[in-house]
Amino acid sequence: GAVVSQHPSWVICKSGTSVKIECRSLDFQATTMFWYRQFPKQSLMLMATSNEGSKATYEQGVEKDKFLINHASLTLSTLTVTSAHPEDSSFYICSAISTGVAGYNEQFFGPGTRLTVL
Amino acid sequence: AQSVTQPDIHITVSEGASLELRCNYSYGATPYLFWYVQSPGQGLQLLLKYFSGDTLVQGIKGFEAEFKRSQSSFNLRKPSVHWSDAAEYFCAVVKYGNKLVFGAGTILRVKS
Repeated sequence: GAVVSQHPSWVICKSGTSVKIECRSLDFQATTMFWYRQFPKQSLMLMATSNEGSKATYEQGVEKDKFLINHASLTLSTLTVTSAHPEDSSFYICSAISTGVAGYNEQFFGPGTRLTVL
Repeated sequence: AQSVTQPDIHITVSEGASLELRCNYSYGATPYLFWYVQSPGQGLQLLLKYFSGDTLVQGIKGFEAEFKRSQSSFNLRKPSVHWSDAAEYFCAVVKYGNKLVFGAGTILRVKS
């Protein structure tokens, strides 16, 4: 159980276009999803936290107008990279948790999406 | 602020040899600590976690980690490495709420 999928796994786009990445929890309801960005040879950096039915909370330094996050249902969150530029090329990873248990809730990670902007 | 340091970017061990990956954290209170493994094309998989109690934690795939408060460390160990263990390993600490702060990662190479 606790499987998280991402689609697409790999996308190439032209500079100036927008790209949408989907994150789905396949076998549980995810009240909260997290979006991370991972540069080559570097760690995962948290970009934003999305809660179902409410606006996402962005980490300091992350442009909310550049990275639009929608968490419209308990099984789907989307990250849209708007007007993408080559510097947005990166590996984007989502994770999901199912709250309801007091204390820390384990994050389940998707396989990631490789974005290349030409 | 919470932070995690993994001093070794790359480690190479021979198959069958023992392994220790280092992790140091910075956190004021008792930390919630994790080790994840990332293989190409796959999501991060949780190996083990420490919240409280016994400082030696057993995980999946034969891994264990020891929490040492005096050294602010949470090193990952395996007595005998298999070629399939080659991957990137991340140490992480809970920041607040359910947010995680990750270390830079250690790439493990296994030579036959």
